[in-house]
Amino acid sequence: KAGVTQTPRYLIKTRGQQVTLSCSPISGHRSVSWYQQTPGQGLQFLFEYFSETQRNKGNFPGRFSGRQFSNSRSEMNVSTLELGDSALYLCASSLDAGISSYEQYFGPGTRLTVT
Amino acid sequence: GENVEQHPSTLSVQEGDSAVIKCTYSDSASNYFPWYKQELGKGPQLIIDIRSNVGEKKDQRIAVTLNKTAKHFSLHITETQPEDSAVYFCAASPPYYGGSQGNLIFGKGTKLSVKP
Repeated sequence: KAGVTQTPRYLIKTRGQQVTLSCSPISGHRSVSWYQQTPGQGLQFLFEYFSETQRNKGNFPGRFSGRQFSNSRSEMNVSTLELGDSALYLCASSLDAGISSYEQYFGPGTRLTVT
Repeated sequence: GENVEQHPSTLSVQEGDSAVIKCTYSDSASNYFPWYKQELGKGPQLIIDIRSNVGEKKDQRIAVTLNKTAKHFSLHITETQPEDSAVYFCAASPPYYGGSQGNLIFGKGTKLSVKP
């Protein structure tokens, strides 16, 4: 079974621009969570989507948004990019069905650099 | 909200020795505690997890223990090998209404170096 895939793997943007990152979960997984990883703050939860609905949200400004499609694929968008948004953005998928639903499997991430 | 502290931040051991990484959490309602291994240029890989109704879990050379009263959990790696070198993260999952467990709160990570 293929793992979580994220595109693009690397991205360079300029301050003020917006960016869209894509995540395809493991086949059959219905929950998708997004995390930001930086050297200073570590791994921080952004939001979680299940059945095309945002089910949980972390403490990030409204510039960070996401959505999930009917096939469970998810996108996240960051508008008005700031230098501090430079980070590795990780997507994780979960089966979300019964006892195994807690396990989250991460993709390789998208490395975003804002200049 | 939940807060997870992880120690040590760096750990260096000789091949064949054991390694122990410890984490504490603050929210007594947290009920799921996974451990991840992250190698350079890759996403975190789930290596073992434990739920709050279990005190210990083992998978070959890796084990995790949980003390709910003290609110701490630990990762134990025995017979370490050079390929165990990586950054290890602990996490806690506080429950969220609606059944969501998608919110993992991570520790800051431990860089493990295994010297041949």
